[in-house]
Amino acid sequence: DVKVTQSSRYLVKRTGEKVFLECVQDMDHENMFWYRQDPGLGLRLIYFSYDVKMKEKGDIPEGYSVSREKKERFSLILESASTNQTSMYLCASSFGGVSTGELFFGEGSRLTVL
Amino acid sequence: KNQVEQSPQSLIILEGKNCTLQCNYTVSPFSNLRWYKQDTGRGPVSLTIMTFSENTKSNGRYTATLDADTKQSSLHITASQLSDSASYICVVTKMDSSYKLIFGSGTRLLVRP
Repeated sequence: DVKVTQSSRYLVKRTGEKVFLECVQDMDHENMFWYRQDPGLGLRLIYFSYDVKMKEKGDIPEGYSVSREKKERFSLILESASTNQTSMYLCASSFGGVSTGELFFGEGSRLTVL
Repeated sequence: KNQVEQSPQSLIILEGKNCTLQCNYTVSPFSNLRWYKQDTGRGPVSLTIMTFSENTKSNGRYTATLDADTKQSSLHITASQLSDSASYICVVTKMDSSYKLIFGSGTRLLVRP
């Protein structure tokens, strides 16, 4: 089975701190994604990557950056965390076309920024 | 505006009963429509994915239907179990240069014994 592992299930950070969220997948998928999920809203795409060192902005990239140095690992970085970045963050991976491949999600990282 | 609307927002049913969740979309043109199940505090898990040419697809007790003409989809759950308690998310892929996935906000289902 495909496994997408997010490094932290729960994090509590202070405003202004730098935050790293790590995601690793074990199925050699080309595509990896970072979403955030807030109550009453659908998942919103922050960034995605279709290859090593490649990245594309999603719908809400402001305040975030990403890194993909290895195919299996996709990191989300909050350079200076703010309270409005308190959310559930979901990593996903897929193979094939970015839009047609089945998405496999991690368990999520719930971030609270105080 | 491309939107995916799900109804109801929440639903409570008794164990063993059937239920149907609705998804209406205005995305056009669209490439495919997916249903995901998300247990509380977990990541979504794929149930079905249908292209515009398919009008029904089953995965165990879950059956998804699609009417591309009316831009409606439904997810029917048969003989519900307590483990069906979850949020169900409808996702439509827009078929243009962006191939963007547009997520509904989900229906929260609670199955009671």
